[in-house]
Amino acid sequence: QSVLTQPPSVSGAPGQRVTISCTGSSSNIGAGHDVHWYQQLPGRAPKLLIYAYTNRPSGVPDRFSASKSGTSASLAITGLQAEDEAHYYCQSFDTSLSGSMIFGGGTKLTVL
Amino acid sequence: EVQLVESGGDLVQPGRSLRLSCAASGFTFDHYAMHWVRQAPGKGPEWVAGINWNSGAKGYADSVKGRFTISRDNAKTSLYLLMNSLRPEDTAFYHCAKGQSSGWNSNWFDPWGQGTLVTVSS
Repeated sequence: QSVLTQPPSVSGAPGQRVTISCTGSSSNIGAGHDVHWYQQLPGRAPKLLIYAYTNRPSGVPDRFSASKSGTSASLAITGLQAEDEAHYYCQSFDTSLSGSMIFGGGTKLTVL
Repeated sequence: EVQLVESGGDLVQPGRSLRLSCAASGFTFDHYAMHWVRQAPGKGPEWVAGINWNSGAKGYADSVKGRFTISRDNAKTSLYLLMNSLRPEDTAFYHCAKGQSSGWNSNWFDPWGQGTLVTVSS
């Protein structure tokens, strides 16, 4: 069971907007630790999509955005495209015990 | 271009040891923390261990603490993971990943290597 909770799956039609939530607690997101998002295409290693809550690496389209509120974060994808079909993971840091980098369990996005 | 190439994955019996390596290029290796992140087939990623730029600080996931040791050789721009007392639940692709600052904690991972497969089975 992951420390960060994501919905197992979401779906949307091409052109639509979808959001993926990432729920944490007071020892990670709620403590102010940055949230990062990764996209994983089939057979590939995860690729950084969003870092430090809202920043996009070069080459990532502005259709991808993220936000944070309290102990949760969200990834939004607008203008859905078939190539967006992938697994998405959130990641943060947890200060409980000796500190650890943590991931969400992942969300499979299906483009209908 | 940053490149991370892992090696050393293999099929091993429970209780045995294995050492993974990661060859890094395309960036100033000794300026950045480095990490190992694993992903079991069909599962999400799990952070395994991180090491700061000069090996002065290291962090481990509870699931591997006391069994795995992360190390680096800045002269060889290489990262290592020594895995002892391996268990079937350690079966996964092991990815080397670059941190974004000199310290291992509170970083994001970018980029990731393609990974090397470790299978623990009798």
